[in-house]
Amino acid sequence: SQLAEENPWALSVHEGESVTVNCSYKTSITALQWYRQKSGEGPAQLILIRSNEREKRNGRLRATLDTSSQSSSLSITATRCEDTAVYFCAPWTQVVGQLTFGSGTRLQVYA
Amino acid sequence: ETAVFQTPNYHVTQVGNEVSFNCKQTLGHDTMYWYKQDSKKLLKIMFSYNNKQLIVNETVPRRFSPQSSDKAHLNLRIKSVEPEDSAVYLCASSSRQGGPDTQYFGPGTRLLVL
Repeated sequence: SQLAEENPWALSVHEGESVTVNCSYKTSITALQWYRQKSGEGPAQLILIRSNEREKRNGRLRATLDTSSQSSSLSITATRCEDTAVYFCAPWTQVVGQLTFGSGTRLQVYA
Repeated sequence: ETAVFQTPNYHVTQVGNEVSFNCKQTLGHDTMYWYKQDSKKLLKIMFSYNNKQLIVNETVPRRFSPQSSDKAHLNLRIKSVEPEDSAVYLCASSSRQGGPDTQYFGPGTRLLVL
């Protein structure tokens, strides 16, 4: 089974709305990263949040981390059409020694 | 321009053929990776490599092998492709191995095996 899982599998919103993607993972972590993959491109990192941090922001993006429930969330405010992409969480654990990606949440933003 | 470059963009081949994909990074990183992304977008690491250590995911079939000439290049060779090898192959790099550093990805090579 996967080490990390995003939910929902897919969602769609209209431009200007806010959206949240959730991530659950299965082991203790050193850090967790959020990546975005647009169609025809490789993933690009959005935020890295370490295990001793509870929240991290990057412009319109806000990531939270709750190590007690082994979960994270990524919120996007004032969405734009160019936010349409697949969003992945990728926890890093010393046990595995590498990033592990979930299968992503597909976000569609409509004009 | 500093980035991760991959060639070719697409490759169509027949079962049993050998293929090779190229990856070059100009970020000055020490570590490079190959991932396989299936049709459901699931990303799985195949190899992690720097000039000291190659880490192979135990689930990777032996027909896959990484080839490196220097720390800026990591190619992927598939000796005899099979239909289940159809996927997107993504190359990435990071500044070091064994830590939660940001990984920078190339655009991917899409392989279709007929």
